[in-house]
Parts: sequence; structure tokens; C-alpha cells
Amino acid sequence: RKEVEQDPGPFNVPEGATVAFNCTYSNSASQSFFWYRQDCRKEPKLLMSVYSSGNEDGRFTAQLNRASQYISLLIRDSKLSDSATYLCVVNGRRSNYQLIWGAGTKLIIKP
Amino acid sequence: GAVVSQHPSRVICKSGTSVKIECRSLDFQATTMFWYRQFPKQSLMLMATSNEGSKATYEQGVEKDKFLINHASLTLSTLTVTSAHPEDSSFYICSVRTLIPNEQFFGPGTRLTVL
Repeated sequence: RKEVEQDPGPFNVPEGATVAFNCTYSNSASQSFFWYRQDCRKEPKLLMSVYSSGNEDGRFTAQLNRASQYISLLIRDSKLSDSATYLCVVNGRRSNYQLIWGAGTKLIIKP
Repeated sequence: GAVVSQHPSRVICKSGTSVKIECRSLDFQATTMFWYRQFPKQSLMLMATSNEGSKATYEQGVEKDKFLINHASLTLSTLTVTSAHPEDSSFYICSVRTLIPNEQFFGPGTRLTVL
């Protein structure tokens, strides 16, 4: 089983729709969780950290479910510019410094 | 945040040659830098952790004699792919991590193609 698992997609979604991604992780001791966004042939960029109580940043909402060991990302009112690959990242077993990356979920927003 | 640059952005080389990739932290003194590799449609894989003034820590399965890392200063780490082969063709990305905020900042990546 992979340490961080994501549905690779692609998710084809019409503009304006709401889309949700889930990510599961295997290390129950993980403390740090992130969503990164990666555009084609570019480096990843932090979208948002995920906090225990859940957090929101504009159209983006992230939630953490420790009991089931998954995190989610919700995008409301999707824009064409949201098309990208979304990477789930969790700190690893060795330390909080080590990050384990999911393979990403590809999102395509269609006009 | 931290600004990270990489050079070159793209390199094409012949099999058997060595390629050096530079990673610079422009506004942050990084005692630690990270080197990742990403194959198409796959996740980022940590190759090694580069430590300023000491030896790099390599992940399991990464050959330290093939991927030479030098972190001579707080702002520069280099990755040298020695005797490159076509299977080494990949997207190589470096990063630094800040504690406050708890975030990792990436360089723009180097796309290596070995013919």
C-alpha cells in the first residue's frame, strides 16, 4: 500500500461546478498535511496547509479526518485556471521534516 | 517565503556524460535543501537531503556515487548526475523548507533528457 494515495483522475468538471478530492495516508502518526498544486511541467506550489479543525481559503476548503486517515480538498465555483494536478502531501515516518507526496489528482475544468 | 532558483532549466545530453544542476536559495539561508525527481505522471520522489557542510543523506535506492550532491554554502546546493543514461531522464526539483511558515518552497525544476 502506498503511504499517500490519491485518485489520479482526470476529473473533468464544467466551469462553476464544485469538485472534491480525497487523499488517504497510512502513517497514523502524521502531523502535517498539505495540498500542493502543480501545473504541467512546473514545480509544485503550496495551495494550503490542512489543519485539524479544517480550514478555508476563498473557494478552497481543506479537511482532515484523523480517524479514517484521509484529507480532502473542496473547490467551489471552479475556474478554468484551477486546471492543474493537485498533490496531497503528508509528513513521513522519520520526522516531521520528511514529506511524502501523493501522485496527484489531475483536474480539468471545461468551459 | 523563500525564493529558489535552479540552473539550467533544461538540459539535453548524450549518454555517458555528467550533468550538474544548481539550486540556489536567493533570500533564505538554507542549511538543508532537498532534491526530488519526478517521472511523467508520477509523484515527486525524494532523492536526497542536502546538508550544508556535511554529507547528503540519500533515500533508499538512490545511488550516492551516481547522484553527487555538494552543499558548500547556505545558498547553494548542486546535484551532479554522473554517467547519465536515458533512464535518468526526468524532472529534477530542489526545495528548501522554512519552519515559519511551515512550508516547502521549490525551484522551477530542471528537465533532463539523456539521449
